[in-house]
Amino acid sequence: GENVEQHPSTLSVQEGDSAVIKCTYSDSASNYFPWYKQELGKGPQLIIDIRSNVGEKKDQRIAVTLNKTAKHFSLHITETQPEDSAVYFCAASDPRYGNNRLAFGKGNQVVVIP
Amino acid sequence: NAGVMQNPRHLVRRRGQEARLRCSPMKGHSHVYWYRQLPEEGLKFMVYLQKENIIDESGMPKERFSAEFPKEGPSILRIQQVVRGDSAAYFCASSRMGQTPNYGYTFGSGTRLTVV
Repeated sequence: GENVEQHPSTLSVQEGDSAVIKCTYSDSASNYFPWYKQELGKGPQLIIDIRSNVGEKKDQRIAVTLNKTAKHFSLHITETQPEDSAVYFCAASDPRYGNNRLAFGKGNQVVVIP
Repeated sequence: NAGVMQNPRHLVRRRGQEARLRCSPMKGHSHVYWYRQLPEEGLKFMVYLQKENIIDESGMPKERFSAEFPKEGPSILRIQQVVRGDSAAYFCASSRMGQTPNYGYTFGSGTRLTVV
């Protein structure tokens, strides 16, 4: 089935710098790729998503890029702020189940150093 | 719009007891998904339900675990005879439709189950 991998597992950045998290997926038929942010003690919150017919999407300081040929997608956070510190999960829709469920990566801990 | 509501937030059970986790989807959402999160792990799919219907339970252990989403009331994830390995955070998500490419998930805050 769909296998999603994230790297690096932990990322520390200075406030104001950019952070990039990369994910790879295994099934080329996946067509939906969301990113979730999870703060301590809370549930995952959708921050941005991209569909397979688009190569890039941007929302203020956050952007996601998708390379279908290489089967990887990345989250870019610019001008990082302390409130960006959290665990970020990427996910891909699982084509085995009609793309109506998600396969998640293990998450990246992002630490923004003031 | 109160979002996806899960309760309790924290649940402690002794080995062998039963755990019941509740999830009320967002208003207007008719699809519910349960995921389990172990420490240092991502979210693992357990079950996908519509009202009065289990669509996909392939991620749920066949023994001791069951889920329902009745016509009235919240969705319930039930774990019988809990063991220490069941300790995890259980998240519920809801969506308007079952097709994630069109309608993304909204997650609740989760229930953190601790088995002692």
